[in-house]
This record gives sequence, C-alpha cells and structure tokens, in this order.
Amino acid sequence: DIVMTQSPDSLAVSLGERATINCKSSQSVLYSSNNKNYLAWYQQKPGQPPKLLIYWASTRESGVPDRFSGSGSGTDFTLTISSLQAEDVAVYYCQQYYTGRVTFGPGTKVDIK
Amino acid sequence: EVQLVESGGGLVQPGGSLRLSCAASGFTVSSNYMSWVRQAPGKGLEWVSVIYSGGSTYYADSVKGRFTISRHNSKNTLYLQMNSLRAEDTAVYYCARDDYGDKGAFDIWGQGTMVTVSS
Repeated sequence: DIVMTQSPDSLAVSLGERATINCKSSQSVLYSSNNKNYLAWYQQKPGQPPKLLIYWASTRESGVPDRFSGSGSGTDFTLTISSLQAEDVAVYYCQQYYTGRVTFGPGTKVDIK
Repeated sequence: EVQLVESGGGLVQPGGSLRLSCAASGFTVSSNYMSWVRQAPGKGLEWVSVIYSGGSTYYADSVKGRFTISRHNSKNTLYLQMNSLRAEDTAVYYCARDDYGDKGAFDIWGQGTMVTVSS
C-alpha cells in the first residue's frame, strides 16, 4: 500500500496568516496517461465527517473558499490556507486514490495562535 | 438532496457480529463506487472496503475475511457485514461515495455510526 505522511502534526497560526500543510506519498501518485495526481485533501471538524476540499491535487471542490489551495506533483504536495479564519480550525487529511486501496495521511491539526 | 445516512452501530462483544447500513438519496448507489471508512476514537481515517459499480469488492488487510461489503439496488442502500469483531474494530464507521469518474475522491460522506466492541 502507498504510505502517506504529513507534516507538521499540528500548527497554530494567527488569524489572517498563512497555514501550510505538507503531504508526501511513498510512491508517485501521478498517472502518466492523463497527467493527473490522484491526491485529495479533506477537512474534518470535531464531531463531523470529513469534507472534500481539493481533488486532483489542486482542483477546489465546489463551494470551498478560494483561500484554500493545493499544489504539488508526484510524491510531494501542499495544502495552503492563505488567510486563516476561525472556521478553519480542523484536522486536515491528505489521501491518495492512485490505487483502489486508498490511504490517508495521519492528519494535521490546525489551531489559532 | 444528495446524502448518505448510516445506521446499525452499537455495542457488541468481541467475536460478535454487526451489520451497518448506509441509505443513499439523490444518487444511485449501484452506479457509483462506494466505500466504508472508519475512524477509531481520537485517531485518523482508515479505509475499510469498496464496492465498484460493476460489483467487484476490495478490503483492507485488517478486515479481510471478516467484513463483507454489499448493496441492495432497489433499496439504494450500502451494507457492511462485520463478523468476528475485535476491540480494535471500535470506531466511527462512515460510508462515502467515491466519485471515481469525475473527481476521483470521496465527495459525499455520511454522518457516521459508532461501533464499540467491548465485553
């Protein structure tokens, strides 16, 4: 199975400041035939199910604020929250779906400083 | 409205069985890839199983041989039959739509149902 790692485990950012979360896969999740990275980002708030934020590594899900952006290719990816808002406090997970046996990263907790 | 609603969770003794249900509305279960994902208390997300639109099924190694995913097309419902349950199966179980044909990711999630395995 593809192993996903995330860094940092947690971070605290001031309101309005940038938050950056990194995700690394143990093998490339870039499918050469369509040049797509099979990588998604989810946000999970306490007591709620995960919510899809980003798919194909950089495509924002409908309704997701544009302060959320995804980047990267191959094995290294980044989720950026350009200006942290109070409602962004959550745990963020990356997920690879390159293989049918999808795997998630361990999560990064984002708090307000 | 597009939604998934899980049910069937509860307290069960080690070695026991439980069947989870996931009722879909606003889309057709049998036309989509559908997965179960679990989350142990205070832990991260773990994919459990998937059923493809064609009927093929796949499982995480941790549940293979013990869990069975299925669907009832006329009820538009997904199931997870869980046998030989262990303490480590304690978790919130979510069903999710795998939008394989478009986004490739899990775009619709249920609210989850809690399974507790304890004597």
